[in-house]
Amino acid sequence: QQQVKQSPQSLIVQKGGISIINCAYENTAFDYFPWYQQFPGKGPALLIAIRPDVSEKKEGRFTISFNKSAKQFSLHIMDSQPGDSATYFCAATVFTGGGNKLTFGTGTQLKVEL
Amino acid sequence: DAGVTQSPTHLIKTRGQQVTLRCSPKSGHDTVSWYQQALGQGPQFIFQYYEEEERQRGNFPDRFSGHQFPNYSSELNVNALLLGDSALYLCASSPSRRNQPQHFGDGTRLSIL
Repeated sequence: QQQVKQSPQSLIVQKGGISIINCAYENTAFDYFPWYQQFPGKGPALLIAIRPDVSEKKEGRFTISFNKSAKQFSLHIMDSQPGDSATYFCAATVFTGGGNKLTFGTGTQLKVEL
Repeated sequence: DAGVTQSPTHLIKTRGQQVTLRCSPKSGHDTVSWYQQALGQGPQFIFQYYEEEERQRGNFPDRFSGHQFPNYSSELNVNALLLGDSALYLCASSPSRRNQPQHFGDGTRLSIL
């Protein structure tokens, strides 16, 4: 059962363009939504995260937009650079028993071309 | 400030063997989670440890077991290895508070022959 759906599966963007990745969730108990960036051979690295009581969060070139009523959230990468080429995962967490359990989306492979 | 460290980085085993993977959490973190990431897939939650007890478990058989030590470090044990256990095993740590992001290590690449 896929609780976090992510699209597109892959994305090609020109240098300087905007990359947009979308996610949707089903479980209303989720209370924290991080995005991770993963390069080949490395573990996922936290990029940016948002709580559901906030509609938008911006950190540098990365922005999360969050629509609680639609149960959807998205990542926008402004001025995309070749160094942004990586796999991006959205995720959602629920806090139980002392920790936050992460449920990941299926990932988006981003390629930024010159 | 060291992040999450995992050992070993790579491991090759044969079917039926047993394996132990190790994880040291980021300084200040007391909760450790383990994930399995198959090639081309997102990480799948195995289980989570807090106060030396397994607190949550994903949909994995009891061939997968773990332990957390008083210094918050953790081990993942897998018995009776199957070919399908070949994957990247990731450890993540976080503080035991709501809305805290998990920080990942670079994983152990396990190959089963």
